[in-house]
Amino acid sequence: GQQVMQIPQYQHVQEGEDFTTYCNSSTTLSNIQWYKQRPGGHPVFLIQLVKSGEVKKQKRLTFQFGEAKKNSSLHITATQTTDVGTYFCAANTGNQFYFGTGTSLTVIP
Amino acid sequence: SAVISQKPSRDICQRGTSLTIQCQVDSQVTMMFWYRQQPGQSLTLIATANQGSEATYESGFVIDKFPISRPNLTFSTLTVSNMSPEDSSIYLCSVGSDSGNTIYFGEGSWLTVV
Repeated sequence: GQQVMQIPQYQHVQEGEDFTTYCNSSTTLSNIQWYKQRPGGHPVFLIQLVKSGEVKKQKRLTFQFGEAKKNSSLHITATQTTDVGTYFCAANTGNQFYFGTGTSLTVIP
Repeated sequence: SAVISQKPSRDICQRGTSLTIQCQVDSQVTMMFWYRQQPGQSLTLIATANQGSEATYESGFVIDKFPISRPNLTFSTLTVSNMSPEDSSIYLCSVGSDSGNTIYFGEGSWLTVV
């Protein structure tokens, strides 16, 4: 299946600090999705990026798709305790979806 | 998005036994998938549940260990057979969106094998 790597694996930030997670693929992706999984919960779809260089925003979250469509990033401005969880990127090959390794975010109040 | 119900939500199982997880969707969907998430790990695709035919398994997963049924477009089951402690995981049912570009998850079945 598709190999998608994410860094960092873990991130601890003080509340109010910014946070970024990066997703990298060795192959060109047709699109990429981002999901958030709260502790004890299931993954929840956040957004999909399709176009080269695309940037989308959801309040304090900014998602970017690389020009070569091989990497993507999620940036959170001024983190809050509600941002705690694991963030996954996912790529689909045909109808199958393959998930990145995930970045676990801890926000220290 | 579809409402996806899984049961059981949580179970503790004895080594060597088998458990069947059910996934019910509130609307007809074409694509259904089963994922496994081991503690602290990412999600790994087990198989695509095909309606009316055998499931398509990913590398490392076999039908004898994870038999899957998909009798119609709203329901699927995953059986974890002859369980060992290594099978302790969250098992997640998911469905593809109409566009095929995103997937949505059930709340998962948390299995602990002792």
